[in-house]
Amino acid sequence: DAKTTQPTSMDCAEGRAANLPCNHSTISGNEYVYWYRQIHSQGPQYIIHGLKNNETNEMASLIITEDRKSSTLILPHATLRDTAVYYCIVRVGGWGKLQFGAGTQVVVTP
Amino acid sequence: DAGVIQSPRHEVTEMGQEVTLRCKPISGHDYLFWYRQTMMRGLELLIYFNNNVPIDDSGMPEDRFSAKMPNASFSTLKIQPSEPRDSAVYFCASSSVTGRQETQYFGPGTRLLVL
Repeated sequence: DAKTTQPTSMDCAEGRAANLPCNHSTISGNEYVYWYRQIHSQGPQYIIHGLKNNETNEMASLIITEDRKSSTLILPHATLRDTAVYYCIVRVGGWGKLQFGAGTQVVVTP
Repeated sequence: DAGVIQSPRHEVTEMGQEVTLRCKPISGHDYLFWYRQTMMRGLELLIYFNNNVPIDDSGMPEDRFSAKMPNASFSTLKIQPSEPRDSAVYFCASSSVTGRQETQYFGPGTRLLVL
């Protein structure tokens, strides 16, 4: 599976949009981009995934560049409960093993 | 649905003892995963099952670790004998494939401390 690169940490003000970048320059055509998050002391939680097109659900939006070498997860209106570690994962075929990196620690401040 | 259920939530044991971690997946899910999380190594996959059959156990650290899934609603991860370096949070996750995609739902984890 392609390796991903994320910033170690970022801060966001409550109520503002949080834009979390992820680089996956070696991604191949059959690899999907997944985002999970882990709130302190809890198990990881699925957020969203995509292949080529931009995706939106009730939690977030995923913007994938045309060359698919990078993506951005957008939390439209960050709340304090969005403070968590966010993982960007690239996976072949859409099922099976999830390979977690270090992720981005996001802190939402009042 | 109650989600993925893991027990115990916390376990403290002494080196050399046998430890058994338990997982009840979400009903109807046909994939089950065991992950381990430590500060040093992060989240890593140990093993996963499909329809109760082990598919990939390449992440199992050594022979002291074993996992079973006797039926669709129950799985165990056993460590025998346990060592202090096994101290970690162990997560179980389950999923099903929908339209060639699967979303993994994680349990709350078992925090294991081996003294």
